[in-house]
Amino acid sequence: DIQMTQSPASLSASLEEIVTITCQASQDIGNWLAWYQQKPGKSPQLLIYGATSLADGVPSRFSGSRSGTQYSLKISRLQVEDIGIYYCQQASSAPWTFGGGTKLELK
Amino acid sequence: QVNLLQSGAALVKPGASVKLSCKASGYTFTDYYIHWVKQSHGKSLEWIGYINPNSGYTNYNEKFKSKATLTVDKSTNTAYMELSRLTSEDSATYYCTRFGGGLWYFDYWGQGVMVTVSS
Repeated sequence: DIQMTQSPASLSASLEEIVTITCQASQDIGNWLAWYQQKPGKSPQLLIYGATSLADGVPSRFSGSRSGTQYSLKISRLQVEDIGIYYCQQASSAPWTFGGGTKLELK
Repeated sequence: QVNLLQSGAALVKPGASVKLSCKASGYTFTDYYIHWVKQSHGKSLEWIGYINPNSGYTNYNEKFKSKATLTVDKSTNTAYMELSRLTSEDSATYYCTRFGGGLWYFDYWGQGVMVTVSS
């Protein structure tokens, strides 16, 4: 199975701050990488797919990038509504696997 | 609008089985696969498997092969997941999610259903 190692596990940031979350794949997955946001008590929501493409309705302050087998999610100016847990997920091959999550809190 | 409506929370006894439902609306049911994902309390997400509603073809995570059985009823646009021989390790929230249509990612999710295994 492909392992997805996400860091940091938790992150505290101020409003308007730039936030970056990373995800390391255990093998080459190309651009088959998605990011999801999960707010407390809610279902995950697709943010980024294909490593860099923004899902419908997602604010442009979110962006994704790739360097080899390392993937990053960047929030350019943190807003209150961005608080939650973020997960990466590889869609290269079954079994689809998720990272351990990054809990983003306000400082 | 696309909606995946899951059945209500379940409290089941150890050793029993439970069948969860996921009713799709707002799109052509047979055009997208339905996947199921497990989230234990405070934990990350685990992929259980998927079903192709058009053909009934299923693909399971090896870890859940003897635990979960996926089916669909095309006449009611509903997907089902039956979990058998339940233990406390199966207590979790289970999500159904849509996949396909040219976007090979989980673009819509059900609201989740909490299963609690307790005597």
